[in-house]
Order: sequence, then C-alpha cells, then structure tokens
Amino acid sequence: EIVMTQSPATLSVSPGDRVTLYCRASQSVRNNLGWYQQKPGQAPRLLIYGASTRATGIPARFSGSGSGTEFTLTITSLQSEDFAVYYCQQYDVWPPITFGQGTRLDIK
Amino acid sequence: VQLVESGGGVAQPGGSLRLSCAASTFTFSRDVMHWVRQAPGKGLEWVAVISSDGRTTHYSDSVKGRFTISRDNSKNTLFLQMNSLRPEDTSVYYCARPSDFSAYYESWGQGTLVTVSS
Repeated sequence: EIVMTQSPATLSVSPGDRVTLYCRASQSVRNNLGWYQQKPGQAPRLLIYGASTRATGIPARFSGSGSGTEFTLTITSLQSEDFAVYYCQQYDVWPPITFGQGTRLDIK
Repeated sequence: VQLVESGGGVAQPGGSLRLSCAASTFTFSRDVMHWVRQAPGKGLEWVAVISSDGRTTHYSDSVKGRFTISRDNSKNTLFLQMNSLRPEDTSVYYCARPSDFSAYYESWGQGTLVTVSS
C-alpha cells in the first residue's frame, strides 16, 4: 500500500496570502496524483488531477506540481472561500487507492 | 452527474445496513464506481470499487469479508451491503464516480452517515 503524507497538518494564513501545501508518497506514483478541497458538511471537490491539471471550473489561483514522490498544491491570493481541508490522493497503484491525512487551512 | 446516497442510520455492533447510491447519468452502465468513507473528524478512506459490469470488485482490508459492493445497471444504482458492523465503521459514506481515464474522482454524492453503536 502506498502511504501518502501531507504537511503541515494545519496552516494559519490570511486572505490574500500565497500558500503551499505538501504531499509525499512512500513510493513513486508518477503523476497520478489528485488534490481535493473539502468544506465542513460537504463532499470533497476535485481541484487537480494528473498532479498539475486543474479540474473543470477550478480558478487559476490553484496550481499543482510535482511527480514521483513529491507534490505541491499552491494557492495564490487566498480567498475567504478557500479556507477548508485539502487532501491528496494517489491513483497510480491500486487497490487500495490512498489519501493523505489532510491539511487544514485556518484563518489567522 | 448527480449521485444521491441513502440508507444510512444507526446499527448495533454486529448488525447490517445496505447503502444505495442513485446515479443520474446516461453512462452509469459504463462507469466504474467506488465507495469512500470518512469517520467523524477524520480523513478520507477508500472502501471498495466495482467494474462497470459488476463482475470485478475490490475492497480495503478493513472491510474485506464484511462488506459487498454491487450494482443494478438497469436502475442506475450502486449498493454497499455492510454486515458484521463495528464501531470503527462509523463514518459518512460517499459514492464516487471516477474519471473515464483514471481513478481520480470527478463526482461525489453528498454522503450518508452510518453510526454503529449499542
């Protein structure tokens, strides 16, 4: 099973900030990596797939990069609606599909 | 694509529940489908997957032998039969439709809460 590790667990940031979230895989997942945003009481929403391709309707302030075992999600100019929990997911070697434990963005 | 789960509720340890996921899509019979769960305050955990024709299934180790994923393509409905429930199965259960090309999830249901408690 591929273990996905996200850091940090929590990030306190201000609207307008630029923030980078990290995701590491225990072995290479090539570029088969997705990022999701989840707000309280809602289902996750796909942001990024293929490590760097934005899903339909996702604003350009969200960008993903990386390959192999190291990945990042960058959000430029944070908006109030961006405060949420973010998960990475590998879909290169499965089953099982595995997720990171999440990074929570809090308002500073 | 709209996915609507139902069937959640409270069950006793050792009990059973059957979840349903109704899909409003013309392509359901061609779609691989998954169940993903989330314990209260915790992260996402993949549970099971079923092929478009229902012949191939895979499960997480935590539910293998207790849960069964199935589908009725004539009714555009996905199921998860959960037996021998444990308190650690308490979660919101989501059905999720992956991309046509790979296993990232383009569509999610709203989730249904399963609580296992005596």
